[in-house]
Amino acid sequence: EVQLVESGGTVTRPGGSLRISCVASGFSFDYYDMSWVRQTPGKGLEWVSTINGNDGNTGYAYSVKGRFTISRDSANNFLHLHMRNLKGDDTALYYCVRGGTDSPFDYWGQGTVVTVSS
Amino acid sequence: ENVLTQSPVTLALSPGERVTLSCRARQSVGNFLAWHQQKPGQAPRLLIYEASKRATGIPARFSGSGSGTDFTLTISSLEPEDFAVYYCQQNANWPLTFGGGTKVEIK
Repeated sequence: EVQLVESGGTVTRPGGSLRISCVASGFSFDYYDMSWVRQTPGKGLEWVSTINGNDGNTGYAYSVKGRFTISRDSANNFLHLHMRNLKGDDTALYYCVRGGTDSPFDYWGQGTVVTVSS
Repeated sequence: ENVLTQSPVTLALSPGERVTLSCRARQSVGNFLAWHQQKPGQAPRLLIYEASKRATGIPARFSGSGSGTDFTLTISSLEPEDFAVYYCQQNANWPLTFGGGTKVEIK
């Protein structure tokens, strides 16, 4: 059974940094694209970042490019999102998702909440 | 970026009715278009990928069609558990994008 479990969400100040993580199980982690998607309360879904499974290529939304870095720890089946220079607009529920450009978003975690507030 | 526009924004229907939701892309995505369903307090769930392929475990009443810039999600006969928000999403090109969603609510 595919499982994605996020962690690391917390309350942090504007300008601060944070790393959120996702542990994956039930599938060959290395093989798949992995992504982060976020959702603000009562709003829609926004793609944040993807790391490709085959070549490690990465992509970012314009709103986070230069501030966020996606990475994967294949030895331990972890996906990370390093966030810096956080802004109020980054406040959201962050989902870890299997899929990206080479495969659909077919499994979603339950999300971890990041709140950026002074 | 490739903006996806969904219509209508809200739809009020009764169980048993047929539903047709639209998603229009600003530029062609080929057939790299997916549909996701989200219920309150839950993570989204993949329904359709590559425009017309049903994801694992998705009932046959859900179908997708279209290619290029115009896509449709059809629910042949609404069940009570289908009242939710539906999002289209493209993975043809960076940045990946979602539509704004269509809320299907009970009439």
